[in-house]
Amino acid sequence: ILNVEQSPQSLHVQEGDSTNFTCSFPSSNFYALHWYRWETAKSPEALFVMTLNGDEKKKGRISATLNTKEGYSYLYIKGSQPEDSATYLCAFRAGNQFYFGTGTSLTVIP
Amino acid sequence: NAGVTQTPKFQVLKTGQSMTLQCAQDMNHNSMYWYRQDPGMGLRLIYYSASEGTTDKGEVPNGYNVSRLNKREFSLRLESAAPSQTSVYFCAGTLTSSYNEQFFGPGTRLTVL
Repeated sequence: ILNVEQSPQSLHVQEGDSTNFTCSFPSSNFYALHWYRWETAKSPEALFVMTLNGDEKKKGRISATLNTKEGYSYLYIKGSQPEDSATYLCAFRAGNQFYFGTGTSLTVIP
Repeated sequence: NAGVTQTPKFQVLKTGQSMTLQCAQDMNHNSMYWYRQDPGMGLRLIYYSASEGTTDKGEVPNGYNVSRLNKREFSLRLESAAPSQTSVYFCAGTLTSSYNEQFFGPGTRLTVL
C-alpha cells in the first residue's frame, strides 16, 4: 500500500482568491500522477494526467505542476469561483493500480 | 456512448444477505476497477481487472469477489454483507499501460443494516 497525502484537508476561500493544494506521493517507481475534481453527489472527473518531472498542465484557471524527484504535485486555482467548490483528489499510479489521497475539499464563498 | 454505468444506484441490505453490483463500460477500456469510498478514507481499491479474464486484489478485498464477465462488464459480489461494507462503491475503467485517466461510474450507495 502506497501512501498518498493531500493537504490541506479543507479550504475556504473568498471568490476571486487564488489558492493551491499539495499532493505528496512516493518518489520511486513513478508512472503517473492524476488529478480529479469531485463534486458532491457526482463521480470524480479527470483534470490532469502528469507523467514527466517538471510537467506543467493548465485548463482554464486551473493548473498543476509535478516534481517526481521529491514526490509532490501542486494544483493551483486562479481567481476562484463558487463553481470551483469541490473535492480535488490526486492519485498515484503504480503499474495498473491507482492510490488515491483523501482529497482537499474546497469551498469558495461568494 | 453511455461511458461507465453502474446498477443499482442505491441498495439496502440486511446483514448476511448477498448481492452483486454491476458495472459496464462502452469505452473499450481493458482495465476496470472497483473502489469503495468512506468518509475520511478517500477511494480505496477493492479489486481490479487489468484485462479480460484476469482479476487482482486491491487494498481492501476481504468480503468481496469479482467477475470480469467480458471486456465490457466487471461485477462485484458481496456474499454475506456486513455493516462494515456500508459505503459508496465506484466502478472505473481505463486503458492498461497508458497515461489515460480513469473514467468513473456514478456510484452505488449501499447500506447494510
